[in-house]
Amino acid sequence: AQKITQTQPGMFVQEKEAVTLDCTYDTSDPSYGLFWYKQPSSGEMIFLIYQGSYDQQNATEGRYSLNFQKARKSANLVISASQLGDSAMYFCAMREGPSGGATNKLIFGTGTLLAVQP
Amino acid sequence: DVKVTQSSRYLVKRTGEKVFLECVQDMDHENMFWYRQDPGLGLRLIYFSYDVKMKEKGDIPEGYSVSREKKERFSLILESASTNQTSMYLCASSLDRALTQPNTEAFFGQGTRLTVV
Repeated sequence: AQKITQTQPGMFVQEKEAVTLDCTYDTSDPSYGLFWYKQPSSGEMIFLIYQGSYDQQNATEGRYSLNFQKARKSANLVISASQLGDSAMYFCAMREGPSGGATNKLIFGTGTLLAVQP
Repeated sequence: DVKVTQSSRYLVKRTGEKVFLECVQDMDHENMFWYRQDPGLGLRLIYFSYDVKMKEKGDIPEGYSVSREKKERFSLILESASTNQTSMYLCASSLDRALTQPNTEAFFGQGTRLTVV
């Protein structure tokens, strides 16, 4: 069974500093996708970044980058130059690929609450 | 813009009532999902559907059922609401293009906060 683990319930970071949010996953499927979402206090879910299991390079989207270590089954989100608006809950998610039994099933971790301090 | 709309933002129901949560998406997505979100537990998948009339259980299907009679609509049904089903319910949808577009993300509705008293 697939599983996503986020071990940091909450974190603080100073404005303008970088922060890493941890995510480990467990799957027996060789084809899978990893996603990060941001949920501000308003409650909306905002897609941030995607990493495919076969991607050769780590994904980047603006200030967001994904530190993908396949052998360790980790997909940590790195936010550079933190801003006050980055304060939110962050969720890591995984979808197994077509070779899995449940194609497109999307599961989430428990989330990390990030607080950016001025 | 992709739009996923949940019928209610807030809902209060009595214990034992049958409750329907409705979700509609307007982007012809094949996949639709129902999650519940609780503090400290993240988003837990209740059910998902990959086609009309097709459904699969998620991690916590007990006490829930779903219906997908039309591609754009996915309903979550609480057969007999209980107080432990008080939660935030999130609906999501995504394309089914794992081979050609593996980075297709899921889009979420605004959530329904259900309180069972």
